Amino acid sequence: EAGVVQSPRYKIIEKKQPVAFWCNPISGHNTLYWYLQNLGQGPELLIRYENEEAVDDSQLPKDRFSAERLKGVDSTLKIQPAELGDSAVYLCASSSGSETQYFGPGTRLLVL
Amino acid sequence: QKEVEQDPGPLSVPEGAIVSLNCTYSNSAFQYFMWYRQYSRKGPELLMYTYSSGNKEDGRFTAQVDKSSKYISLFIRDSQPSDSATYLCAMMVGNEKLTFGTGTRLTIIP
Repeated sequence: EAGVVQSPRYKIIEKKQPVAFWCNPISGHNTLYWYLQNLGQGPELLIRYENEEAVDDSQLPKDRFSAERLKGVDSTLKIQPAELGDSAVYLCASSSGSETQYFGPGTRLLVL
Repeated sequence: QKEVEQDPGPLSVPEGAIVSLNCTYSNSAFQYFMWYRQYSRKGPELLMYTYSSGNKEDGRFTAQVDKSSKYISLFIRDSQPSDSATYLCAMMVGNEKLTFGTGTRLTIIP
């Protein structure tokens, strides 16, 4: 069974540029999460989806971040415009509604 | 004060030693307690999961939860160089978001 797939794995952009990350969850997993992991820290939730619905986006900085999961399967997280402080690892996770979340490898973003 | 506190280390021990990793928490509503392992440049991987006070064993790994003290531990017996990674404790209320500790970086010295 394939795990959570994320792309790109690495991204380097200049500040004020837009950037997008893509996630394909494990097949059949209705719940999808985007987490932000800063260096030396644990992941922090940005947004949680149940199928197409964003059920918890309270930690998503909505002035510059947006996310979508149009068909309830794969998801895109966007930052526009990116700031230096956005340099981090963006992790996607999925679950089948149980307590176990499976994480992808993450996208490592560097904003110059 | 953070909801979950974890000693960031780093921690270095010789191969074969017993490793003890610990977290404390302040939110009494946490129901589920996990330990994730994260290798460099990889995503977190679930190691152990429990929801009750007491011990849970899986091979060389033992997870311990003490809800009365709001304290959880992970013990690794007969540590191997392949155990070198960052270990993250995580907790959850219901099936919602995971709240992670900062992670402890562990190195097993051959």
